Amino acid sequence: DVVLTQTPPTLSATIGQSVSISCRSSQSLLHSNGNTYLNWLLQRPGQPPQLLIYLVSRLESGVPNRFSGSGSGTDFTLKISGVEAEDLGVYYCVQSTHAPYTFGAGTKLELK
Amino acid sequence: QVQLKETGPGLVQPTQTLSITCTVSGFSLTSYYMQWVRQTPGKGLEWMGFIRSGGSTEYNSEFKSRLSISRDTSKNQVFLKMNSLKTEDTGVYYCARGNYGHWGQGVMVTVSS
Repeated sequence: DVVLTQTPPTLSATIGQSVSISCRSSQSLLHSNGNTYLNWLLQRPGQPPQLLIYLVSRLESGVPNRFSGSGSGTDFTLKISGVEAEDLGVYYCVQSTHAPYTFGAGTKLELK
Repeated sequence: QVQLKETGPGLVQPTQTLSITCTVSGFSLTSYYMQWVRQTPGKGLEWMGFIRSGGSTEYNSEFKSRLSISRDTSKNQVFLKMNSLKTEDTGVYYCARGNYGHWGQGVMVTVSS
């Protein structure tokens, strides 16, 4: 199974600060069809996860453009350019290139 | 608008069978694949399987021997059934549409005698 390693496990930030989360895969997530099926999700306390980014860098409809995704192959990054209070929660990367699909362990974003 | 809602038993005894229904609205099950994901204290988020828009299924081999996903398109419902439950199966079970674009609120399932 593909293992997704997220770092850091916890991130403390002030409002307005820019932060990045890394997601490294144990194998390339480039599918034979040319797509890379790596998404980013945010789970706020007591809520289901919500989709932020799909296909590495595509912003889901309605998601603020302070969120951005980048990367290729095995290394991926989610960046938040100017953290806002509503961004607090746990961020997960998830891959859908290789079955069984797998999630990272999560990165908790807290207020400093 | 798109809505998904899971309903289930809450408490299940070990060795028994779990049945959860995901009722959807705002779209057709024949146009989207539907996934099941669970969140447990021990393993975090786990992909369990999905049912395609055409009705075929894929399962995580972790659950394959005891998991079944089906649907009733006339009722806009997707079903999860998992047998031989263990205490480690305690967690929140979610249905999600397609590539995780929409999720239900989840149903908490406790496996305990």
